[in-house]
Amino acid sequence: NAGVTQTPKFRILKIGQSMTLQCTQDMNHNYMYWYRQDPGMGLKLIYYSVGAGITDKGEVPNGYNVSRSTTEDFPLRLELAAPSQTSVYFCASSSHSQGRGSDGYTFGSGTRLTVV
Amino acid sequence: DQQVKQNSPSLSVQEGRISILNCDYTNSMFDYFLWYKKYPAEGPTFLISISSIKDKNEDGRFTVFLNKSAKHLSLHIVPSQPGDSAVYFCAASDGRGGATNKLIFGTGTLLAVQP
Repeated sequence: NAGVTQTPKFRILKIGQSMTLQCTQDMNHNYMYWYRQDPGMGLKLIYYSVGAGITDKGEVPNGYNVSRSTTEDFPLRLELAAPSQTSVYFCASSSHSQGRGSDGYTFGSGTRLTVV
Repeated sequence: DQQVKQNSPSLSVQEGRISILNCDYTNSMFDYFLWYKKYPAEGPTFLISISSIKDKNEDGRFTVFLNKSAKHLSLHIVPSQPGDSAVYFCAASDGRGGATNKLIFGTGTLLAVQP
């Protein structure tokens, strides 16, 4: 049981480059989320999805885009990377809204992104 | 505007003793609270949750207490073990859907359990 799989684990981007962070879950969860964690800060929600074909903005969506064409996949697209996007990115999924099921959110292991 | 606050960035306790991690919140609409543990280079893992209809929830060595009037919750770990050394995040949600369909996380407390 893989849970939530994120790729890549590490990436260095130059300013202005673009990339896609991949996220796949095998638990048939309807709810999926992208968070970023900056040093000394909590997790900030970038985008979330309540099911295939449905996405919505979180607290810090600027500079990012998402799509949800299947239940399993929820890729995060960075366009025109900026140093302010240097962060650790976590994808998560849950069986219930806001993690209210017995298992909360299941997180991936993260992608550490540096923009230089 | 930090709606969920963990005012202690770090905590050090001796193995076998109790660890108490604290969390305060400002939004009175929050009605569900969770604790997550995070090891370096890994994603957070769910530990325990509590609904606002309860004031205590227990799971093995972990107990979460909720004081709604004080808008305060705490996580007790008894007895503490070296493997408990990690960053602990508390999170809260208010049960509504739509734009509020999210967990709000605190900034985390680094727990170090000394052998």
